[in-house]
Amino acid sequence: GAVVSQHPSRVICKSGTSVKIECRSLDFQATTMFWYRQFPKQSLMLMATSNEGSKATYEQGVEKDKFLINHASLTLSTLTVTSAHPEDSSFYICSARPRGRGVEAFFGQGTRLTVV
Amino acid sequence: SQQGEEDPQALSIQEGENATMNCSYKTSINNLQWYRQNSGRGLVHLILIRSNEREKHSGRLRVTLDTSKKSSSLLITASRAADTASYFCATALNTNAGKSTFGDGTTLTVKP
Repeated sequence: GAVVSQHPSRVICKSGTSVKIECRSLDFQATTMFWYRQFPKQSLMLMATSNEGSKATYEQGVEKDKFLINHASLTLSTLTVTSAHPEDSSFYICSARPRGRGVEAFFGQGTRLTVV
Repeated sequence: SQQGEEDPQALSIQEGENATMNCSYKTSINNLQWYRQNSGRGLVHLILIRSNEREKHSGRLRVTLDTSKKSSSLLITASRAADTASYFCATALNTNAGKSTFGDGTTLTVKP
């Protein structure tokens, strides 16, 4: 159990377009999901915390209008990179916390975004 | 310094040798997890150790946790070329309900 699926795994988009990344908990309900970003050869940095039915909480320095997060159900959170630019190219990864299981969180396999 | 620092940053060993990676952190934690990441790929969860545990094993992996020193170690025994990857520790704090803070990672190269 505790499988988190991200889609797509890879996406290439043109500069100025928007890209949506989905994070799904397949076999559990997740009241909280987290979005991370990883630049090449660097560690993962938390971008925002997504709570089902409420607004996401963004980390300092992360533009909420650029990185739109929607957690519309207990099994799905989406991250939309709006008006993407080449500097947004990165590896984006989500994690989900099962409801009622304390602080454990499970990670998706990540999405490689390339903006050309 | 950031929560979840690892050392060494890079480690190169011969196949069959053991590899030890360390992780230090600064605040109280609920649990600490170790992950592996192959180049350009997603995270693979290795082991989670809770703050009330001192040692856990999984196959060739051994993780220790010393909460008094705020440190953890990951030991890979009898390493294989396929173990070549980056290894990250991630700490979940008591008050952050699942949010994990990642260390900078250790890049392990196992030479055949």
